[in-house]
Amino acid sequence: AQRVTQPEKLLSVFKGAPVELKCNYSYSGSPELFWYVQYSRQRLQLLLRHISRESIKGFTADLNKGETSFHLKKPFAQEEDSAMYYCALGISNYQLIWGAGTKLIIKP
Amino acid sequence: DVKVTQSSRYLVKRTGEKVFLECVQDMDHENMFWYRQDPGLGLRLIYFSYDVKMKEKGDIPEGYSVSREKKERFSLILESASTNQTSMYLCASMPGRRNYGYTFGSGTRLTVV
Repeated sequence: AQRVTQPEKLLSVFKGAPVELKCNYSYSGSPELFWYVQYSRQRLQLLLRHISRESIKGFTADLNKGETSFHLKKPFAQEEDSAMYYCALGISNYQLIWGAGTKLIIKP
Repeated sequence: DVKVTQSSRYLVKRTGEKVFLECVQDMDHENMFWYRQDPGLGLRLIYFSYDVKMKEKGDIPEGYSVSREKKERFSLILESASTNQTSMYLCASMPGRRNYGYTFGSGTRLTVV
């Protein structure tokens, strides 16, 4: 069965510390993975996708097919990174399977 | 710059009422989606549409229906609202090309009393 697991509901780190939000997936096909972010009182928006291999706002994510993971990382957290983060798996041309989300809090 | 517009930000309805949630996109996207967003559950797909007048059930379609008479508009209908449908409802759209990334509306927080 297709599944996306974000094991942490809440992650709290100090400003300047490294951040890693975990995401594991279960999928028999070739995965397409995404990270979405929702800042307070803003709409959900795409942060990055694995096929682009890009860095957005200092965040990167590497697809590890062996470990079926797509963890989101940032070396130095900033207060404006506080938000809700969702990992999502593309299973067709239309649909995404979503993780339950991780709330990231950056402490000053 | 707003591309996906949901008609209401907050709604309060009574149990048993018929409720209409409207979503309009101006990007000429083929695909449109309705999700529920609940704490600890993430996003759950209710219905999606890949073309005008076409619809597919998502994971939790019970108690809901949809309408897509025009490409830009996708409506979610709660036939008889119940308290367990109190939630945040998100509309999204996506181009018809390969899975590309969704554009979301700002959401409608529905409270059924």
